[in-house]
Amino acid sequence: DIVMTQSPLSLPVTPGEPASISCRSSQSLLHSNGYIYLDWLLQKPGQSPQLLIYLASNRASGVPDRFSASGSGTDFTLKISRVEAEDVGIYYCMQALHTPTTFGQGTRLEIK
Amino acid sequence: QVQLQQSGPGLVKPSQTLSLTCAISGDGVSNNSASWNWIRQSPSRGLEWLGRTYYRSKWSHDYAVSVKGRITIIPDTSKNQFSLHLNSVTPGDTAVYYCARHIAVAKADYYYSAMDVWGQGTTVIVSS
Repeated sequence: DIVMTQSPLSLPVTPGEPASISCRSSQSLLHSNGYIYLDWLLQKPGQSPQLLIYLASNRASGVPDRFSASGSGTDFTLKISRVEAEDVGIYYCMQALHTPTTFGQGTRLEIK
Repeated sequence: QVQLQQSGPGLVKPSQTLSLTCAISGDGVSNNSASWNWIRQSPSRGLEWLGRTYYRSKWSHDYAVSVKGRITIIPDTSKNQFSLHLNSVTPGDTAVYYCARHIAVAKADYYYSAMDVWGQGTTVIVSS
């Protein structure tokens, strides 16, 4: 199975400051079609996970443009340009290129 | 707008079968661009994909090795829903269970692939 490794696991951030989360996969997530099958999810307190970013760098519908993401075949980054209070929760990377779909351990973002 | 509504018991006795249903609105279980997934979440295992069903001229299924032999995912086209059945449960199966849609759509100038819709989650406790 593909192992997804995130860092840091805990991320305290002052409102208005930037934040960055890393994700590394044990195998390349680059498909022969040129797309990278890496998604970012956010699980807000008490809620189901929700899609933030798909195919490594595309914001899902309704996601603010302060969220951006990038990455190559195995190394990925999610960035928040200016953290807001509503961004608290656990961020997960996940891969859907190889079966089984696998998830990172999660990064808990909290407001200082 | 696609929505997934989960239903099923929150308490299951050890050795019995855990059964949950995910009702789909705004899409069809037979959509040949989608797969319908079950995922669970626990403190010890994090998010764990359990399996999926999907239709590509015929029905297919994939299951996680960790639950293979105990799991069945069944689509129901008449009710536009799919269900999870996990037998011989133990306390280790205690978790929040989610259903989710994964879709991949390819058009001339656009490609979309994501696990984009999740159910509300069902907390299942395995205990006598």
